[in-house]
Amino acid sequence: AQRVTQPEKLLSVFKGAPVELKCNYSYSGSPELFWYVQYSRQRLQLLLRHISRESIKGFTADLNKGETSFHLKKPFAQEEDSAMYYCALSGAGGFKTIFGAGTRLFVKA
Amino acid sequence: GAGVSQSPSNKVTEKGKDVELRCDPISGHTALYWYRQSLGQGLEFLIYFQGNSAPDKSGLPSDRFSAERTGGSVSTLTIQRTQQEDSAVYLCASSLATSGIYTDTQYFGPGTRLTVL
Repeated sequence: AQRVTQPEKLLSVFKGAPVELKCNYSYSGSPELFWYVQYSRQRLQLLLRHISRESIKGFTADLNKGETSFHLKKPFAQEEDSAMYYCALSGAGGFKTIFGAGTRLFVKA
Repeated sequence: GAGVSQSPSNKVTEKGKDVELRCDPISGHTALYWYRQSLGQGLEFLIYFQGNSAPDKSGLPSDRFSAERTGGSVSTLTIQRTQQEDSAVYLCASSLATSGIYTDTQYFGPGTRLTVL
């Protein structure tokens, strides 16, 4: 069965500190992993996906199939990064997407 | 261009009443999804439609929930005999669904906040 686990409901860091939002998944096939973000009073939107292997707004995430993880990292957090972050999983080329419970990131000044 | 739209933005209903939630996807998007967003529960997959294929209804929590998509565009999520635990934000998303190799990006609507009294 597909499952996405985000162990932290809330993560609070100071501006300029490194941040890591954890995501672990369970899937028997070939997975596609995503991070979606929802800023205050905005729509949920894609932040990045593992197949792109790109850095968006300073965030990166590496798919580790051995550890079944897809942690989101940023070396220096900014106040504007404060938002709700969701890790999501689908089968490669598939449609059904399972989201984690989300982690609320709060970056303090 | 126009994004995904949903109506109404807010709906307050009494327990036991039926409600209909509407989603207008981005023009040309063949895949359409419904999710439920509850406090502490994250996003819960409900159903998706892809072109003319049979919808994947595996996420619908009970037979009180149903959805249809007419003409491959607009979709309606219907909740019959609403219960207080149905209170949540219901999100709709659409995607191009063209590649078949990679999962396409989903574009989300603003959601409908449903409150069952």
